[in-house]
Amino acid sequence: SQKIEQNSEALNIQEGKTATLTCNYTNYSPAYLQWYRQDPGRGPVFLLLIRENEKEKRKERLKVTFDTTLKQSLFHITASQPADSATYLCALDIWVLTGGGNKLTFGTGTQLKVEL
Amino acid sequence: KAGVTQTPRYLIKTRGQQVTLSCSPISGHRSVSWYQQTPGQGLQFLFEYFSETQRNKGNFPGRFSGRQFSNSRSEMNVSTLELGDSALYLCASSFGVEGAEAFFGQGTRLTVV
Repeated sequence: SQKIEQNSEALNIQEGKTATLTCNYTNYSPAYLQWYRQDPGRGPVFLLLIRENEKEKRKERLKVTFDTTLKQSLFHITASQPADSATYLCALDIWVLTGGGNKLTFGTGTQLKVEL
Repeated sequence: KAGVTQTPRYLIKTRGQQVTLSCSPISGHRSVSWYQQTPGQGLQFLFEYFSETQRNKGNFPGRFSGRQFSNSRSEMNVSTLELGDSALYLCASSFGVEGAEAFFGQGTRLTVV
C-alpha cells in the first residue's frame, strides 16, 4: 500500500541548532514534493516545493533535499528559533498517478519544538 | 490578497444530522480541495473540484459530497453524521496545475455528539 512516513512524532532541539526532518515514501513516483508548516488550530502553510529533477532547494533558513532513488526528502531548518516550533508536513503531489487533478497526499507530520 | 475563507469555524451537530461547510478560495484559483484532519489519521484527501467538476476523489463513503459553483466557491456536505466524523475539515485552493502550492483555510472544527 502507499505510505508516507515522517521521522518520529516529535523532535526537540535547542535554539540555534539545525533541525532535520525526514520524509520517506513507498510506492509513489511523485514529480513534486512539498513541505508545509501547521500551527495548532490552523491550516497548513506552504513552505517549499522541490521537483523530482532537483536535488536541493533553499529558501532563507530552510533547505530541502529530494532523493528519488532512496524515496526520501530531508527538510532542514538552520539557526532554529522558538518561533519555528510547529508541526511540519511533507506532501506528495501525485498528479501523474491519478491521471489528472491536484491531489496532495500528506505524511504523518513531525512536531518540532525549539527550546531556549 | 484575501486568503481562503471557511465558514463556519466551529460546528456542533448531533449524530444522524447533516452538515454543509463552505469555502471561498483565493481570487483566480479554480481548484478547491477538501481534507479531513484527525489526530489518528492525519490529513486525508476528500475530493478536488476544478471549474465546477469533481476531478479527484479520496476513499471516503458516499455520505461525503461536495460541489463547486461558477465563482469557484465550494461546499462540502456530510449526511447522516457519525461520531467518527468529528474532525477539522480543511479547504485548500490552488491554480490546479501540477506542482501548484495549496493555500489552506483556517478550517471548520466539526464536533458530532
